[in-house]
Amino acid sequence: GESVGLHLPTLSVQEGDNSIINCAYSNSASDYFIWYKQESGKGPQFIIDIRSNMDKRQGQRVTVLLNKTVKHLSLQIAATQPGDSAVYFCAERGNNAGNMLTFGGGTRLMVKP
Amino acid sequence: EPEVTQTPSHQVTQMGQEVILRCVPISNHLYFYWYRQILGQKVEFLVSFYNNEISEKSEIFDDQFSVERPDGSNFTLKIRSTKLEDSAMYFCASRDNSDGYTFGSGTRLTVV
Repeated sequence: GESVGLHLPTLSVQEGDNSIINCAYSNSASDYFIWYKQESGKGPQFIIDIRSNMDKRQGQRVTVLLNKTVKHLSLQIAATQPGDSAVYFCAERGNNAGNMLTFGGGTRLMVKP
Repeated sequence: EPEVTQTPSHQVTQMGQEVILRCVPISNHLYFYWYRQILGQKVEFLVSFYNNEISEKSEIFDDQFSVERPDGSNFTLKIRSTKLEDSAMYFCASRDNSDGYTFGSGTRLTVV
């Protein structure tokens, strides 16, 4: 079936460095993608989203890049801070009646002080 | 900022018992969802609900599960005859007509 997956399960970065978290998706019909941050014991927290008609979107310290040719999504976090330590999930919305999201496997970001 | 509220935060139940997980979606939202996350795994879709009926459900959402919107504010997930493998975090989410999906903080269900 269609799936969303992540390349790296754990990413460790130094405080102040930039982080890049990657995601591969397989459903070419997906029209909308979201990055979520999940801290321990909490629900997914929206970070940034992008529609399939865009290839880049910037937020505060975060940038999402979408490459539809290779079905790849990335999240860039500038000047990573200890508070950024969490598990990051990408999610896609495919062409389905319920407009539900399909989540990837998650990447744990660890920020070293 | 509006929130999706879930209760209880933690539920412990004996195998074979029925549980009801409760959610209060954001008041002007129209689309409602239940997801679950087994410890250490990814978030999995269970069911979507719109206009007082299920719009889509996953293979996980079998006859053991049901959802209901008993009044104008609550959205519930009932799990009948719970099994050990039902132990997970259960997340409710809601959405308005835009792309804004908002998740609750989840209910940790432990089946013993």
